[in-house]
Amino acid sequence: KAGVTQTPRYLIKTRGQQVTLSCSPISGHRSVSWYQQTPGQGLQFLFEYFSETQRNKGNFPGRFSGRQFSNSRSEMNVSTLELGDSALYLCASSLDIVYEQYFGPGTRLTVT
Amino acid sequence: EDQVTQSPEALRLQEGESSSLNCSYTVSGLRGLFWYRQDPGKGPEFLFTLYSAGEEKEKERLKATLTKKESFLHITAPKPEDSATYLCAVRPISSGSARQLTFGSGTQLTVLP
Repeated sequence: KAGVTQTPRYLIKTRGQQVTLSCSPISGHRSVSWYQQTPGQGLQFLFEYFSETQRNKGNFPGRFSGRQFSNSRSEMNVSTLELGDSALYLCASSLDIVYEQYFGPGTRLTVT
Repeated sequence: EDQVTQSPEALRLQEGESSSLNCSYTVSGLRGLFWYRQDPGKGPEFLFTLYSAGEEKEKERLKATLTKKESFLHITAPKPEDSATYLCAVRPISSGSARQLTFGSGTQLTVLP
């Protein structure tokens, strides 16, 4: 069974631009979560979706948004990029919210 | 507030030298505790799920245990390929709803040949 895929894998953007990251979950998984990982802050939770509904949301500014589609694929968007948004963005999927999550390889975002 | 604390932050072992990693947590209700392994530049890899105190899970050289306040990841006779960052995460539950998964900061394990 194919794992979680994330596109693109690497991205370089300029401060003030916006970016959209994509995540395809494992087949049959209905829950998708997003995390930001930086060396200083570790894994920080962004949001969690189940069947197109946002179930949980982390403490990030409104510039960070996401959505889930009917096929369980998910996207997250960051508007008005800041230098501090440079990080590894990880997507994880699970059968349901309470089960173990399986992570994708991440998208490495660099903001210059 | 949900809290997960992992110790030690870093651990260096000789090949074959067994040890344990600790994950202590503070949550109002626990739905599950998860262990992950992460290699540099990659996404975390799922290892174990533990649901209730007294539960144990094993996989090769790894064994995870759970009490009401903490979990241990025991590594028996480690090999250099076990070198990685080990992450612990808890899924809290309150009022019947599962809250977000909360991760600890991890233990960076180095196994020297």
